[in-house]
Amino acid sequence: EDQVTQSPEALRLQEGESSSLNCSYTVSGLRGLFWYRQDPGKGPEFLFTLYSAGEEKEKERLKATLTKKESFLHITAPKPEDSATYLCAVQAPGGKLIFGQGTELSVKP
Amino acid sequence: DAGITQSPRHKVTETGTPVTLRCHQTENHRYMYWYRQDPGHGLRLIHYSYGVKDTDKGEVSDGYSVSRSKTEDFLLTLESATSSQTSVYFCAISESTSPNYGYTFGSGTRLTVV
Repeated sequence: EDQVTQSPEALRLQEGESSSLNCSYTVSGLRGLFWYRQDPGKGPEFLFTLYSAGEEKEKERLKATLTKKESFLHITAPKPEDSATYLCAVQAPGGKLIFGQGTELSVKP
Repeated sequence: DAGITQSPRHKVTETGTPVTLRCHQTENHRYMYWYRQDPGHGLRLIHYSYGVKDTDKGEVSDGYSVSRSKTEDFLLTLESATSSQTSVYFCAISESTSPNYGYTFGSGTRLTVV
């Protein structure tokens, strides 16, 4: 069964304190792994797509990496505006996205 | 926001009443999806459409039906709302099933069934 598990469920950081979010997955034929950011009361907003193990992508303070079993979202020197829920999803054959439960990140000044 | 609108944004309804949520897009994308988001469950796929009048079930389709009579509109209907359908509903669109084309999400509809 295709499945995505994110950890931790919640993460509280001080401004400038770097950390990582984890996304473990099992899928029959990974076509792509997606990271989204979701702010309260809004829909998810696309961040990255990763296609194969070893791939990395960066955007400002965020860097996403991919292995054959998991992906990490590294946050370097976070700021309060990085506070949000981060969602991981895998694309199964047929195109549908399967989402994890998300990690709620809070960055305090 | 980028060409996808959900209506209404908020709705309170009584158990047993029918409810229809609307998703409207101006991007002319072929694929449209309905998800629900609940604490502890994340986003779960209800139904999706791969063209006008072409729809299929997702993992949590019981109690829901959909229709797509035009490219731009995808309707989600709860025939007889139950308290377990209290949730936030998101519509998403995609140009293709290729991973090169991500999903764009609407802002969501918060539905409360009392």
